[in-house]
Amino acid sequence: EVQLVESGGGLVQPGGSLRLSCAASGFNFSMAGMNWVRQAPGKGLEWVAYIYADSNTILYADSVKGRFTISRDNAKRSLYLEMKNLRAEDTGLYYCVRWNGYCSGDHCYPSFDYWGQGSLVTVSS
Amino acid sequence: DIQLTQSPSFLSASVGDRVTITCRASQGISRDLAWYQAKSGRAPSLLIYGASILQRGVPSRFSGSGSGTEFTLTINNLQPEDFATYYCQQLHTYPPITFGQGTRLDIK
Repeated sequence: EVQLVESGGGLVQPGGSLRLSCAASGFNFSMAGMNWVRQAPGKGLEWVAYIYADSNTILYADSVKGRFTISRDNAKRSLYLEMKNLRAEDTGLYYCVRWNGYCSGDHCYPSFDYWGQGSLVTVSS
Repeated sequence: DIQLTQSPSFLSASVGDRVTITCRASQGISRDLAWYQAKSGRAPSLLIYGASILQRGVPSRFSGSGSGTEFTLTINNLQPEDFATYYCQQLHTYPPITFGQGTRLDIK
């Protein structure tokens, strides 16, 4: 059974830092691209960052670029999100999400197929 | 960036009804579109990818169609557990990967 378990959330002051972790099990973590997706209170889903299986490709949303760093440790089957210079608008539930690609013929259809339960980050003074 | 616009934003329906949600992309995205269901207090779950491919374990009353810039999610014979918020997502051109604003489906 695929499991993604986030930890590390909490209350932090504006300008502060926080590090989220995600422990993965039930699949070959070292072969999977991974993402962080967040949801602000009462708002929709926002993609935050992506990291390829071997960490060679890393992508960020403009809203977090330069402040957040996504990383992974395949030996520990863990995904991380280092968040610095946090702002009130970073408040939300942060999900660890697996990237999946189903290939048929010459086309692959990507999706986010497994989601963790989320870790709550609150940025407030 | 590719924008996704869902309509309607709110939908009220009864058990047994058939409902359709539309997702329009600001530019062509082939069939690189997925649909998710989100319930309060639970992680979102994948329903459909590749615009029309049903994720394993998802009931067949859910279906998706479309390509290019216009897509639809249809739910036949609504069940009580289907009342939730639905999001479309494009994975054609990124970054950024973008979601629609969501469609909240309530019980009438």
